[in-house]
Amino acid sequence: GESVGLHLPTLSVQEGDNSIINCAYSNSASDYFIWYKQESGKGPQFIIDIRSNMDKRQGQRVTVLLNKTVKHLSLQIAATQPGDSAVYFCAENRGAQKLVFGQGTRLTINP
Amino acid sequence: GAGVSQSPRYKVTKRGQDVALRCDPISGHVSLYWYRQALGQGPEFLTYFNYEAQQDKSGLPNDRFSAERPEGSISTLTIQRTEQRDSAMYRCASSLDGSYGSPLHFGNGTRLTVT
Repeated sequence: GESVGLHLPTLSVQEGDNSIINCAYSNSASDYFIWYKQESGKGPQFIIDIRSNMDKRQGQRVTVLLNKTVKHLSLQIAATQPGDSAVYFCAENRGAQKLVFGQGTRLTINP
Repeated sequence: GAGVSQSPRYKVTKRGQDVALRCDPISGHVSLYWYRQALGQGPEFLTYFNYEAQQDKSGLPNDRFSAERPEGSISTLTIQRTEQRDSAMYRCASSLDGSYGSPLHFGNGTRLTVT
């Protein structure tokens, strides 16, 4: 079946470096994607979203890139900080307000 | 301001018992969602409401699961005759109106353990 997934389950980066978290999706009809951050013991927290009529969107220290040709989504975090340690999920809105989440990538920051 | 509130935070119950999980969404949010999250996995959609109307319940695993939102605010997810496989984190989320650009705000969840 169609699903949203991630290339890597874990990512370790040096503090101050940039982080790139990747996500692949298979539903070519998907038109809206969201990145969530989940810290231990908490619910997922909205980071940034992007609609399929865009290929890039920037927020505060974060950028989401969408490549519809290869059905790939990425989240870039600039100057990674210890507080960025979390599990990151991409999610696909399959219409009717139903989000389908990927498996998640755990980001750890090395001092 | 106050976020999405869920209670209880933890619930341990014996197999065969019924449980009711409560969600208090952000004030003024039209849309309310229930998700279930297994350890190490992303949340899995169960059902959602706009106001008091249940719009989609396609994610409910079976007829032991039901949800209501009678006054368009607080919602209850009920699991009857619980089974061990029902053990999971149950998360509620709300959004302003469910449209694009109206992100879901998640609560901290109820951890259900069925013994």
